[in-house]
Amino acid sequence: EVQLVESGGGLVQPGGSLRLSCAASGFTFSSYWMHWVRQAPGKGLVWVSRINSDGSSTSYADSVKGRFTISRDNAKNTLYLQMNSLRAEDTAVYYCARGRGLRGYFDLWGRGTLVTVSS
Amino acid sequence: EIVLTQSPGTLSLSPGERATLSCRASQSVSSSYLAWYQQKPGQAPRLLIYGASSRATGIPDRFSGSGSGTDFTLTISRLEPEDFAVYYCQQYGSSALTFGGGTKVEIK
Repeated sequence: EVQLVESGGGLVQPGGSLRLSCAASGFTFSSYWMHWVRQAPGKGLVWVSRINSDGSSTSYADSVKGRFTISRDNAKNTLYLQMNSLRAEDTAVYYCARGRGLRGYFDLWGRGTLVTVSS
Repeated sequence: EIVLTQSPGTLSLSPGERATLSCRASQSVSSSYLAWYQQKPGQAPRLLIYGASSRATGIPDRFSGSGSGTDFTLTISRLEPEDFAVYYCQQYGSSALTFGGGTKVEIK
């Protein structure tokens, strides 16, 4: 089955760190650019970061630049998001998504993992 | 950054009616690199349309997309009960990918 499964979310204090993982299966992971998209409770979708197929190129939204790091392990079919210096406004469901087309629209989504930043 | 403005915020319609959702960009979206997604409560978004007018795999033909430049439209020709959801547009023509704020299609 073609799917993405996120893990690693949870409750973290402001200023803390968390690493999210996204396990891919059912398709050739190493052929696709991958993305993280987040959604704060009751709010809309916000693109966070992307990484190209071999991991050599990354891009970030201004709101997370310098605090978040996207990476991937194609041997393990896994995407990561290292989140440091977390703020209350980072509270959201984080989705990993498979990218298609120039820069990316998203044709496959995981179910998401909830990150809550609170003291 | 390209800002996408969706209207209306909420659309109240009955099953069988036609739904017309608008997405307006703050600047031209190159090569019509615009997508539409459907999201139901507690679920991940689902891709409906890419390239402004191409239906994704498995999407019924009652969903159609149109537009270019700064004005785009998603049309649902006859609403089915499962179509009541929130719809988002997204542009991928610029390096900073952006989404619209969403349109909720609710049962009247």
